[in-house]
Amino acid sequence: AQSVTQLDSQVPVFEEAPVELRCNYSSSVSVYLFWYVQYPNQGLQLLLKYLSGSTLVKGINGFEAEFNKSQTSFHLRKPSVHISDTAEYFCAVSGLYNQGGKLIFGQGTELSVKP
Amino acid sequence: NAGVTQTPKFQVLKTGQSMTLQCAQDMNHEYMSWYRQDPGMGLRLIHYSVGAGITDQGEVPNGYNVSRSTTEDFPLRLLSAAPSQTSVYFCASRSGSSYGYTFGSGTRLTVV
Repeated sequence: AQSVTQLDSQVPVFEEAPVELRCNYSSSVSVYLFWYVQYPNQGLQLLLKYLSGSTLVKGINGFEAEFNKSQTSFHLRKPSVHISDTAEYFCAVSGLYNQGGKLIFGQGTELSVKP
Repeated sequence: NAGVTQTPKFQVLKTGQSMTLQCAQDMNHEYMSWYRQDPGMGLRLIHYSVGAGITDQGEVPNGYNVSRSTTEDFPLRLLSAAPSQTSVYFCASRSGSSYGYTFGSGTRLTVV
């Protein structure tokens, strides 16, 4: 079984500042990892995913994440945030060869970008 | 290409009533899932399906039924609604070769 812990429930940051949203996972097998974004009153949109290969993954809207197997982490970063990045961000994990691709989510991190 | 379509967008039920949340996708995806989203708890998996005729339970299946008679449709049934089922429900789908799920826009359900 897999589990995901997002270490911060809320992250306030000023516009143009860098941000890191932290995600740790637990699994007895190798995993696929994902970050999703949810804007207010909308569904979830895939930001980026790690399946294999390079541990640094680049996604949409200037976000990137680094897979660290030894620390079982998949932190999301952006060097300079905009007001429009205000949203809730979810980290998710799926076990390799997991039938049906069951996706397990963390509790979410609310990113609030202030002018 | 409509993606994943959920209906209705909003619903208010009385305790004990039944209803079906509809989910349809037009991408010929094999895998479909239902999640509920509650504040501070992220998204929790209710039921999922790996293809027509095949369904299985997720993390929080109690009080919900599903069926998958076609590839396109994956309805979620509440047999006897309870206030604890007040939530936002999301349907999602993906193909066998892609690992990113596509989500619908959600159904906001209130049980009074």
